[in-house]
Amino acid sequence: DAGITQSPRHKVTETGTPVTLRCHQTENHRYMYWYRQDPGHGLRLIHYSYGVKDTDKGEVSDGYSVSRSKTEDFLLTLESATSSQTSVYFCAIRLTGGNTEAFFGQGTRLTVV
Amino acid sequence: GQQVMQIPQYQHVQEGEDFTTYCNSSTTLSNIQWYKQRPGGHPVFLIQLVKSGEVKKQKRLTFQFGEAKKNSSLHITATQTTDVGTYFCAAEPSNTGKLIFGQGTTLQVKP
Repeated sequence: DAGITQSPRHKVTETGTPVTLRCHQTENHRYMYWYRQDPGHGLRLIHYSYGVKDTDKGEVSDGYSVSRSKTEDFLLTLESATSSQTSVYFCAIRLTGGNTEAFFGQGTRLTVV
Repeated sequence: GQQVMQIPQYQHVQEGEDFTTYCNSSTTLSNIQWYKQRPGGHPVFLIQLVKSGEVKKQKRLTFQFGEAKKNSSLHITATQTTDVGTYFCAAEPSNTGKLIFGQGTTLQVKP
């Protein structure tokens, strides 16, 4: 699994509270991604990073921010959680070079009540 | 919106029947990838196609990349209950670094 760890694995939070999800990798891969998965929508890209302090928006970035101060950590923050952000969140890293496959973390199930 | 469209969204088959999912893009793709996600699990990489018209096989799975590099398909011959899951295609638009996924096709297999 390319040494990817997501934390927490499960979280229940109240509407309006800030939430930070962490993705940690052990193999110094340059590209890291945050996706959310909802029924009927597949995997939608929230933000991605192509290096330390280099991040860009994905398809559904509103209400989310990210930070990557170290190669190994990519943080996803919901500044003020809403019920529409209840979802399963996946972090991924991607190889570079000839085979650019992505490896996913185990996912974080976030419930906003 | 998503730049990679995948159909069908769901497919129910009897064990032993064949299954196909299709992925389409409005733009030319440099490559396309396929992933499988088992229920309750995370997506796992299956294969990457790069060349126009490329066909690759993995046992009962056949992957094709269209001649124009705008579409791809995954065909499973004689499905088994172990094939249950959601199959995703994924592509990187215009070498942006983004990795965009199709909506996925969820396969159910009746024993």
